[in-house]
Amino acid sequence: QVQLVESGGGVVQPGTSLRLFCAASGFTFSRSPMHWVRQAPGKGLEWVAVISPDEKIKTYAGSVEGRFTISRDNPKNTLYLQMNSLTVEDTAVYYCAREGYSSGKAGAQDVWGKGTTVIISS
Amino acid sequence: DIQMTQSPSTLSASVGDRVTITCRASQSINTWLAWYQQKPGKAPDLLIYKASSLESGVPSRFSGSGSGTEFTLTISSLQPDDFATYYCQQYDSYPSTFGQGIKLEIK
Repeated sequence: QVQLVESGGGVVQPGTSLRLFCAASGFTFSRSPMHWVRQAPGKGLEWVAVISPDEKIKTYAGSVEGRFTISRDNPKNTLYLQMNSLTVEDTAVYYCAREGYSSGKAGAQDVWGKGTTVIISS
Repeated sequence: DIQMTQSPSTLSASVGDRVTITCRASQSINTWLAWYQQKPGKAPDLLIYKASSLESGVPSRFSGSGSGTEFTLTISSLQPDDFATYYCQQYDSYPSTFGQGIKLEIK
């Protein structure tokens, strides 16, 4: 079945880096734009980044622009989020999500992973 | 960035009630709006896309409407499984943005 599984989260100190992974299965990963969305403890959803199927288009939220990099490896069906210069405000559950296929759904996220927890603490 | 505002922030209702949740965009987003349901400790689930299209597998008691800057999500007859937090999201332009969420509680 269609599945996304995130990993790579953990507890790190402010100023350090972390790389998140999202393993995709059950659909044609190489055709799907992919997103990262995060949720700080007790807070709402915050969209983080999107990448086109061919990696030519990458767009970021202003809060992470210049610090985070989204990338993908289509042969490995894997999405990545490289996070640098982390701050306590980056503490959150990070979800990867597939963008919908149909024209009306393009831009929305129709399949989500269970998330991986990132805690930034000294 | 486009700001999404949901109201009310919390809503108390009973099983069988008809419930309407509102989402407003700070500028026109045409119908590029999605609604998600999230339960505690779980990932969000897509309910509605393009303002009024029901996602496959979502019960027909959920419906969405609106265009431009005003949108609504309606649950025609609340079921016990519907008590959750609901988010709207605009995907008219990047950065995509979510509303702050509305927690639907049991009265």
